[in-house]
Amino acid sequence: DVKVTQSSRYLVKRTGEKVFLECVQDMDHENMFWYRQDPGLGLRLIYFSYDVKMKEKGDIPEGYSVSREKKERFSLILESASTNQTSMYLCASSGTVQGLYEQYFGPGTRLTVT
Amino acid sequence: QQPVQSPQAVILREGEDAVINCSSSKALYSVHWYRQKHGEAPVFLMILLKGGEQKGHEKISASFNEKKQQSSLYLTASQLSYSGTYFCGTENYGGSQGNLIFGKGTKLSVKP
Repeated sequence: DVKVTQSSRYLVKRTGEKVFLECVQDMDHENMFWYRQDPGLGLRLIYFSYDVKMKEKGDIPEGYSVSREKKERFSLILESASTNQTSMYLCASSGTVQGLYEQYFGPGTRLTVT
Repeated sequence: QQPVQSPQAVILREGEDAVINCSSSKALYSVHWYRQKHGEAPVFLMILLKGGEQKGHEKISASFNEKKQQSSLYLTASQLSYSGTYFCGTENYGGSQGNLIFGKGTKLSVKP
């Protein structure tokens, strides 16, 4: 079974703090993704990575950065957390099976910034 | 660029059928469907490639009309376990492989 794990299910941080969200996958997938999910807005892509040390901006990268030093681990960093970054954060990974890229999601981290 | 899903929400009685649509303004290479139950991660249902291919998963099937740039998800004889939010994710020609753009979701509630 594919497993994508995230470091925390719930996190509460103060405005201005630096926040690290960690994601680990055990399927040797090339691609990893960070999304945020807000009511009525669906899943919006923050960043994705298609290889170690490679990253590309998604639709809403402002205020975020990422790090991928190892293939199995993809970190999302909020340099200075703000209240408008309160959200559910979902990590996903995908690798090709017969040319198709099915995404597997982690359980999510609900971040509250006060 | 975000695909448009319709309807936004639907309420069914057990045993009824439903159709969820996903439309894009861009040419599509593939469409992915996911279901997310409350408090859980989205779970993959199926992928459809160009060519009007249909796929099935339990009593859930889908079609992909490349010409119309849309996909439809068909839920037949719905069960209580079908409740959740359904997302389509589209992969466009010229986009990064495996990179999906998700719609806002359709909330499906199945009542006894």
